[in-house]
Amino acid sequence: DGGITQSPKYLFRKEGQNVTLSCEQNLNHDAMYWYRQDPGQGLRLIYYSQIVNDFQKGDIAEGYSVSREKKESFPLTVTSAQKNPTAFYLCASSQGVTSIDEQYFGPGTRLTVT
Amino acid sequence: QKEVEQDPGPLSVPEGAIVSLNCTYSNSAFQYFMWYRQYSRKGPELLMYTYSSGNKEDGRFTAQVDKSSKYISLFIRDSQPSDSATYLCAMTTNQAGTALIFGKGTTLSVSS
Repeated sequence: DGGITQSPKYLFRKEGQNVTLSCEQNLNHDAMYWYRQDPGQGLRLIYYSQIVNDFQKGDIAEGYSVSREKKESFPLTVTSAQKNPTAFYLCASSQGVTSIDEQYFGPGTRLTVT
Repeated sequence: QKEVEQDPGPLSVPEGAIVSLNCTYSNSAFQYFMWYRQYSRKGPELLMYTYSSGNKEDGRFTAQVDKSSKYISLFIRDSQPSDSATYLCAMTTNQAGTALIFGKGTTLSVSS
């Protein structure tokens, strides 16, 4: 089956710890994205990557870091500098690299930091 | 003023009702408009996609864009309990370096 996998589904961390969220796609898509979804806030773009070894900041990149060493993988690290990290994190990919290309979303990771 | 405004609801309707979901926007350069559907605890999936003004129909779903009023709508006819989900509008200018801008989403509940 082709698609996007995110793991784990639920993640719990103590404040002050860095945590890395996994995102893998086997759709052979060029572009990948990370969004954060909070209740009543919609989707906000954290980082996106249009090609391997390149990525750009989205609207809320502070406190997050990413890497794109392989086309199929785009892990997101939530650092201790992120002031309010508890949220639902969604990874997406698209075949093209423009904003009109359909984005396919993973099932999400719900991160809780206490 | 936020770029995209969407009433979060919740909106509750009986099965068979016609549902109207709406978004307004402020950037007149937006040309591409999308509706994503998100079931609880899942990722969103693309439902409808329109370019510029006009209507687009797909089965029970109709997407409408009124660029003069900066207003887009999604109509669902003969609503079903399986339509219960959060509906997110999204739009973009498609200019280089721009991203897809999402509304906050409207939560719809269809009761049988």
